[in-house]
Amino acid sequence: EVQLVQSGAEVKRPGESLKISCEASGFTFTTYWIGWVRQMPGKGLDWVGIIYPGDSDAKYSPSFEGQVTISADKSINTAYLQLNSLRASDTAIYYCARRGYSSTKNFYLYGMDVWGQGTMVTVSS
Amino acid sequence: ATQLTQSPSSLSASVGDRVTITCRASQGIRSALAWYQQKPGKAPRLLIYDVSNLETGVPSRFSGSGTGTDFTLTISSLQPEDFGTYYCQQFNNYLEGFTFGPGTKVDIK
Repeated sequence: EVQLVQSGAEVKRPGESLKISCEASGFTFTTYWIGWVRQMPGKGLDWVGIIYPGDSDAKYSPSFEGQVTISADKSINTAYLQLNSLRASDTAIYYCARRGYSSTKNFYLYGMDVWGQGTMVTVSS
Repeated sequence: ATQLTQSPSSLSASVGDRVTITCRASQGIRSALAWYQQKPGKAPRLLIYDVSNLETGVPSRFSGSGTGTDFTLTISSLQPEDFGTYYCQQFNNYLEGFTFGPGTKVDIK
C-alpha cells in the first residue's frame, strides 16, 4: 500500500526546535517529490516547501524560507520538516504529501496525490 | 508570486444540485492546477490534477476545466458526502511555491 506515515503530535515551548518525520512506503521514495503543507487552526492550506529525496534538492516557499529546514534520509525512506525557534504562531497541523507522477508520460503531475495523516504541533508556554 | 482567489468562499446547496467553484490565478499558470477536498479532521484528498484529469477513485460527478488564469471545479449532482472545503493549488513555479487558494466551504442544505 502506498502511504505516508507521520510522527505523532508534539507540544513544545516557545524558542524550542522540532523535527517532524514522514515515512514513505509502497513506492520508490527517491523518485518522487515530497512536499510539506501547514494548516493553522481553522484556516486554509499553506505551502511550506518540497524536496526530491533522490538528491535532497529542496525548494522553499518565500514565506517559510529561513524559518524551516526540509531534509530527507533515503536510507530509511523518510522526509523531515524542522521548525526552529518555535513561536505560538507555529501552532498548526503539518502535512507531508507526495507529488504525483505519470510513468507513461514520464512527467510529474500537477497534484499532490498521497498525503500523510498530519502532525499536530502545539507551541505554548 | 502567483496568487489564487476562489469564489464563492462558501455555499449551501441541495442534494442533486450542480455546483461550480471558480479559482482565478493572478497570472497565467498554463495547466498547472489541482483541486482538493478536505473534510474536518482529515487530510486533503486530491480530486483533479492537471486542470481536468480525475484522480483514480474519485467519482465522475467531479470535473475540472479552464486554462491560463480561470479554472472551474464542477460537481454535476451534489451528494451528501460532498460536504467539506475545496481548495485549488497552482504548480506554476517551484521558486514561488505551490500556493493554495483560500478555500470554498460546501454545506448540504
